[in-house]
Amino acid sequence: AQSVTQLGSHVSVSEGALVLLRCNYSSSVPPYLFWYVQYPNQGLQLLLKYTSAATLVKGINGFEAEFKKSETSFHLTKPSAHMSDAAEYFCAVDLNMFSGGYNKLIFGAGTRLAVHP
Amino acid sequence: EAGVTQFPSHSVIEKGQTVTLRCDPISGHDNLYWYRRVMGKEIKFLLHFVKESKQDESGMPNNRFLAERTGGTYSTLKVQPAELEDSGVYFCASSQETSGAYNEQFFGPGTRLTVL
Repeated sequence: AQSVTQLGSHVSVSEGALVLLRCNYSSSVPPYLFWYVQYPNQGLQLLLKYTSAATLVKGINGFEAEFKKSETSFHLTKPSAHMSDAAEYFCAVDLNMFSGGYNKLIFGAGTRLAVHP
Repeated sequence: EAGVTQFPSHSVIEKGQTVTLRCDPISGHDNLYWYRRVMGKEIKFLLHFVKESKQDESGMPNNRFLAERTGGTYSTLKVQPAELEDSGVYFCASSQETSGAYNEQFFGPGTRLTVL
């Protein structure tokens, strides 16, 4: 079965420090991969996605992620954290290719990012 | 353009009661999805509508859950009777139906359900 593992349910960084949120997936073939962010009292917002084009994907708010097939990873990074980045982040895979062409997202358990001054 | 909306934002009910959650997708989106996040765990797929038809309901936990999408517009998710383990945040998402392109899912803010 397909699954997504996010290492670390809570990550804390200082403002200006590197943000690294880890995501590994299990799949027999490279799926579509996503990072979503949820700010307090808001819905899930798409940060970035990998759909078999460039392996380094740039998203909104300065975030980027690199797809590494050999490591089955899709880690999310941002060079310099800002206070406004504090939120919960979810990695997800899309079983589109396995579900008859319809999107079906499988999520990790989420990582809550705290940014302190 | 309005995003995906969900009602209510919070619901607190007693075990054994019935609750109905509502989702209004983005206008023109034929695909509608329900997901659920139980406290501290991953967000899990429940089911998928294409217009008014259930395309995939493999994630529905049991027959206490009933989802409908009459007319292919808004959707409801009814839990009857509610149990303690049904507590969590229920998300709705919608996407267009565009062949040859990836159809991004847009999520609503969720409904937080607490069963006491």
